[in-house]
Amino acid sequence: DSGVTQTPKHLITATGQRVTLRCSPRSGDLSVYWYQQSLDQGLQFLIQYYNGEERAKGNILERFSAQQFPDLHSELNLSSLELGDSALYFCASSAGQGDEKLFFGSGTQLSVL
Amino acid sequence: DQQVKQNSPSLSVQEGRISILNCDYTNSMFDYFLWYKKYPAEGPTFLISISSIKDKNEDGRFTVFLNKSAKHLSLHIVPSQPGDSAVYFCAVDSVGYSTLTFGKGTMLLVSP
Repeated sequence: DSGVTQTPKHLITATGQRVTLRCSPRSGDLSVYWYQQSLDQGLQFLIQYYNGEERAKGNILERFSAQQFPDLHSELNLSSLELGDSALYFCASSAGQGDEKLFFGSGTQLSVL
Repeated sequence: DQQVKQNSPSLSVQEGRISILNCDYTNSMFDYFLWYKKYPAEGPTFLISISSIKDKNEDGRFTVFLNKSAKHLSLHIVPSQPGDSAVYFCAVDSVGYSTLTFGKGTMLLVSP
C-alpha cells in the first residue's frame, strides 16, 4: 500500500459529461501529481500541485482542471468528456523537495461511452 | 516526439537468468533517471534510480546502468524471479520538482 488513496476506482460516463477524480496523498506529503495512462501511451504527466499551488503543468487539456485543497487532497476535474479521454488516471504524491520518488495510487479507470 | 523510449514492448526470461530492460532518452540535460514497476490493477512503484553523476547504482538484485554519451539507461535483474513479472517503466525528471516523463513500458514475463 503506497498510502495514496484514489476514488473512485472505476467510473463510467457518457460523452459530454463532467467527472471529478479525487486523491488523498500520503500523510505528510505536500506535492500531488496527476498522470494519464491511455492504451498505447506511457504515463503522461498532467499537472503538479505543491502545498495548494500549481507548480508544473504538462500536456493537460483545457477541458481538464485540478486543484489542491488546504487539507492537501486534490481533485482532477474532466469536463466535456470525449471518447478519447477514456484512460487510467493516476495520482502520485511526494514530499515535494525535488529529486525524489513518487508514490502512486492505484488509479481511477475512466470509461467514456 | 518521445523524450523517453523503451523500444521493447515485452521481454520473456527464464527464472534464474538475467533480465535486461533498456531505455533511450533524447535530452542530454536530463539529470535524474528512475525505474518503476507496475503490477496489474496497481499503481507504479519505485524500484531504483540513478543521478547523472553516476554510471551505476545497485540495490540487491537490481542494477541500473547509465551511459550518458549514448543517452541510454538499462535495468539488470539478476537472478530473475517469477514475481518480477510486471511492466517496467523508465522515467526521467525532465522538468524538475520530480515531475517525471515516462517511457511506454516493457512487460517482463519471468517463467519458472
